[in-house]
Amino acid sequence: DQQVKQNSPSLSVQEGRISILNCDYTNSMFDYFLWYKKYPAEGPTFLISISSIKDKNEDGRFTVFLNKSAKHLSLHIVPSQPGDSAVYFCAAIRPGNTPLVFGKGTRLSVIA
Amino acid sequence: DAGVIQSPRHEVTEMGQEVTLRCKPISGHNSLFWYRQTMMRGLELLIYFNNNVPIDDSGMPEDRFSAKMPNASFSTLKIQPSEPRDSAVYFCASSPLSEAFFGQGTRLTVV
Repeated sequence: DQQVKQNSPSLSVQEGRISILNCDYTNSMFDYFLWYKKYPAEGPTFLISISSIKDKNEDGRFTVFLNKSAKHLSLHIVPSQPGDSAVYFCAAIRPGNTPLVFGKGTRLSVIA
Repeated sequence: DAGVIQSPRHEVTEMGQEVTLRCKPISGHNSLFWYRQTMMRGLELLIYFNNNVPIDDSGMPEDRFSAKMPNASFSTLKIQPSEPRDSAVYFCASSPLSEAFFGQGTRLTVV
């Protein structure tokens, strides 16, 4: 049973446009959410996070939005750049020293 | 710190052989995780340790898989005997609290 779902396996966006990656979760105990970025032959690297007490967190071109009532979060990248092309994983965590639960990932391709 | 270090980066082995994957976590991190990445299942948690103690190994697919963490600076994931369906990229990650830091992974191919 997937507790974190990324329903779009892939997404293509033109350079300069906005990329929107979506993520849904089912476990209401999750209180912290993260996005990771993964290039080929490398491990995932942390990109941005948001606590459940917030509904928005912004870091440069990256903004994460959280809708707790819908159990939905999204990552916005604007403007998109070719170097953003990677697999993006959504992850969630419960309180306490527990492991991250990941979605299956969305492959973003930014076309020049 | 050099980050999480995994070895080997690539492993090709024959079906039935024993495979051992190694991980050195970031110093001071008290949690260590083993994940497996496949096309079908994405990043799935196999096992995690807190303070060198295995907490949850329910993600370990079968008894053929075992993991140890003899001290705070070293962990192993062993597959014996290996099967072609074990072919995947295996990641080790360590964490001080919530954010996890990943190694570069071991790409395992079982032929």
